Amino acid sequence: DSGVTQTPKHLITATGQRVTLRCSPRSGDLSVYWYQQSLDQGLQFLIQYYNGEERAKGNILERFSAQQFPDLHSELNLSSLELGDSALYFCASSVGAGTPYNEQFFGPGTRLTVL
Amino acid sequence: GESVGLHLPTLSVQEGDNSIINCAYSNSASDYFIWYKQESGKGPQFIIDIRSNMDKRQGQRVTVLLNKTVKHLSLQIAATQPGDSAVYFCAENGGSYIPTFGRGTSLIVHP
Repeated sequence: DSGVTQTPKHLITATGQRVTLRCSPRSGDLSVYWYQQSLDQGLQFLIQYYNGEERAKGNILERFSAQQFPDLHSELNLSSLELGDSALYFCASSVGAGTPYNEQFFGPGTRLTVL
Repeated sequence: GESVGLHLPTLSVQEGDNSIINCAYSNSASDYFIWYKQESGKGPQFIIDIRSNMDKRQGQRVTVLLNKTVKHLSLQIAATQPGDSAVYFCAENGGSYIPTFGRGTSLIVHP
């Protein structure tokens, strides 16, 4: 168990809908990262938050947004969902930010299926 | 559990054999590399890392080799066990601090 929790574990929804994925980092970790893992793209970095502020952005679509709250949990919001958004979404956390040498601890993921 | 489901290269070995998983990276600016293990239904788990000022690093039953000349990374697992069955990803930092993941190799260990 990495100490990172994600809810829900599975989510099934329809095209055009909006969903929110939730992540709680390990105790003491200030950074939260979101990744998408799909069949054809592998593990893709979406966005990082550090202590409530957006720190880095990757291949995140404009239909997707995220935030990190004062208690350090994070939510990833996916809107106007398309079939191609079906994927595993992982959250990871680390103690710090700005250096690659902070080990990232991954949660168990949320499986999103868009029908 | 859920599988990653990617069409991945697969390495099949017998229990007790040594396994070697290879990874080619493309960014010559990368100076930090990580190997992750992802078991079915779980998120990636850090195994071992190496910085570019090293060409070899050993952990418990695992060794990572880095060849910067040909941009190649390998993970060696000694005395492979059924519990080692998983998808293994290499990641490079590409000059930033966000890792870029390779597509992974599926390791299947036969008892």
